[in-house]
Amino acid sequence: DVVMTQSPLSLPVTLGQPASISCRSSQSLVYSDGNTYLNWFQQRPGQSPRRLIYLASKRDSGVPDRFSGSGSGTDFTLKISRVEAEDVGVYYCMQGTHWPGTFGGGTKVEIK
Amino acid sequence: EVQLVESGGGLVQPGGSLRLSCAASGFSFSNFWMTWVRQAPGKGLEWVANIKPDGSEKNYVDSVKGRFTISRDNAQNSLYLQMNSLRAEDTAVYNCARGRATDFWGQGTLVTVS
Repeated sequence: DVVMTQSPLSLPVTLGQPASISCRSSQSLVYSDGNTYLNWFQQRPGQSPRRLIYLASKRDSGVPDRFSGSGSGTDFTLKISRVEAEDVGVYYCMQGTHWPGTFGGGTKVEIK
Repeated sequence: EVQLVESGGGLVQPGGSLRLSCAASGFSFSNFWMTWVRQAPGKGLEWVANIKPDGSEKNYVDSVKGRFTISRDNAQNSLYLQMNSLRAEDTAVYNCARGRATDFWGQGTLVTVS
């Protein structure tokens, strides 16, 4: 299975400051159709995951534009331009290029 | 509005069985792959199984192959997960999600094997 490695495990951030989460895959996530099936999810406390980003850099409908995804191949990044209180939670990357889909271990974002 | 509502979880002894259901609404269910994902308490996320829109293709993670069966009823807009020979390590919240890209998730149903 493709191993997804996220860093850091924990990310204390000051309100209004930027945050960045890294995700690396053990294999290239470029599919035969040319797409890169890399998603980012936010899981707030007590809630199910919510998809924020798909195809590595496309924002889902309703997701604030302070969230952005970038990267290619095996290295990906989720950035929050200015952290707000509602952004507290655990963030996961997930690859859907290779079966089975696999998730990173998660990054816990908290307010300093 | 897309809605996915899971049910059927509960406490079961090792070796027992459970059938989970997921009721879908707000979208054309028969046009979408559907996926089951689980999350053990305090742990990360694990993809369990998915199924093609017409049910002709099903995929399972190795840890559940031969024990779990995914199915669907497009007339009832429902997804199922039949879980047999349950083990302690199957204890988790089970979520259904729309598509292979899992763009919408239900709230999940807790399965406890003990």
